[in-house]
Amino acid sequence: SQELEQSPQSLIVQEGKNLTINCTSSKTLYGLYWYKQKYGEGLIFLMMLQKGGEEKSHEKITAKLDEKKQQSSLHITASQPSHAGIYLCGADFDSYGKLTFGQGTILTVHP
Amino acid sequence: DTGVSQNPRHKITKRGQNVTFRCDPISEHNRLYWYRQTLGQGPEFLTYFQNEAQLEKSRLLSDRFSAERPKGSFSTLEIQRTEQGDSAMYLCASSKTDRGGVSSYNSPLHFGNGTRLTVT
Repeated sequence: SQELEQSPQSLIVQEGKNLTINCTSSKTLYGLYWYKQKYGEGLIFLMMLQKGGEEKSHEKITAKLDEKKQQSSLHITASQPSHAGIYLCGADFDSYGKLTFGQGTILTVHP
Repeated sequence: DTGVSQNPRHKITKRGQNVTFRCDPISEHNRLYWYRQTLGQGPEFLTYFQNEAQLEKSRLLSDRFSAERPKGSFSTLEIQRTEQGDSAMYLCASSKTDRGGVSSYNSPLHFGNGTRLTVT
């Protein structure tokens, strides 16, 4: 969706390195959701952000939503091969719960 | 809670045939969504239901596509006269929404593993 842009499109890192994935919206978000997908499988929910400036962490993954609620980042610390997959951001633009997704970021982690 | 279940996992069909997919949502979820995903892209919204009511259909959804959720539980997505361009992963998701009172709450969407459709 052109309403939601993710960068980079793909990322290759060495195990142990930190990385950041960005998600930028053309308009103010009601909520921003991060998902992970393995090839050929469904999406696994990671985190939901709704307030400007909000930050959430789970294990080695941290997600932030900027104050204007138009940009989010997903940061992985000390990456592991288990972090490999496709990361997708999904935006709720109207508070009705329907999500519009970015095109995804393919993450490869080399041991 | 066994998660969102989709059947079949894979479907290969010849152009022109009709296909039907089924989705069983998480039992207490009142919303059900259908998405389509092609290789290298994020999921694209097709339609969604709240209980048995179909609340929105994407402009992407041609007349050959129809979805139902007859009793507000499972849902089916039917594609008539399939075309090669229909080849994709069809994903179902469910969520719980409470819009009563002065505030509303939407739980995150929980996705099934999808049905991969190949039209030859």
